[in-house]
Amino acid sequence: DIQMTQSPSTLSASVGDRVTVTCRPSESINSWLAWYQHKQGKAPKLLIYKASTLESGVPSRFSGSGSGTEFTLTISSLQPDDFATYYCQQYISFPWTFGQGTKVEIK
Amino acid sequence: QVQLQASGPGLVKPSQTLSLTCTVSGGSINSGSYFWSWIRQPAGKGLEWIGRVYTSGNTNYNPSLKSRVTISVDTSKNQFSLKLSSVTAADTAVYYCAREVDYFDSSGYFQHIDYWGQGTLVTVSS
Repeated sequence: DIQMTQSPSTLSASVGDRVTVTCRPSESINSWLAWYQHKQGKAPKLLIYKASTLESGVPSRFSGSGSGTEFTLTISSLQPDDFATYYCQQYISFPWTFGQGTKVEIK
Repeated sequence: QVQLQASGPGLVKPSQTLSLTCTVSGGSINSGSYFWSWIRQPAGKGLEWIGRVYTSGNTNYNPSLKSRVTISVDTSKNQFSLKLSSVTAADTAVYYCAREVDYFDSSGYFQHIDYWGQGTLVTVSS
């Protein structure tokens, strides 16, 4: 299985901050990576797929970059609605695997 | 907009079979090129992809669970289901159903999850 290592596990930030989350697969996944936002008790939400393609309806302050074995999710200006847990996921080979999550907390 | 809702018993006894159903609304389960998936998350742990089914009935399973898992689809009810046999406490988790969209890229066909349900907690305990 491809192991997905996310960092940091927790991130404390303020509204307006620029936030970056990193995801490192254990082997190259080209660009076959998605990012999800998850709030407690709600359905996770797709933010980005194919490493950098913004899902329709997702605010442009979210962006993704990277390929191969290093990827980043960036929130350019953190908004109150963005405090949540973020997960990366590879979909190049079975079984699909996820990062352990990054919880973005209010500083 | 498509919505997915998982339902089923919240408590299952050890060694029994866990059975969950996901009801899809806002669109036909048969329309478009989609796979229908199950993912779980034990408390305090990461997300684990369990497997998926295509509307043809074709399935893909996580090898770690393959011997115990059956995922099936009922297009007449717009539902798909998960059965996990011989459960233990390690199977206690929030179970999510989800949709994977299938699309063609110059490198081939790929799928990513585009919609998730809210999740349902299943506890394995006597």
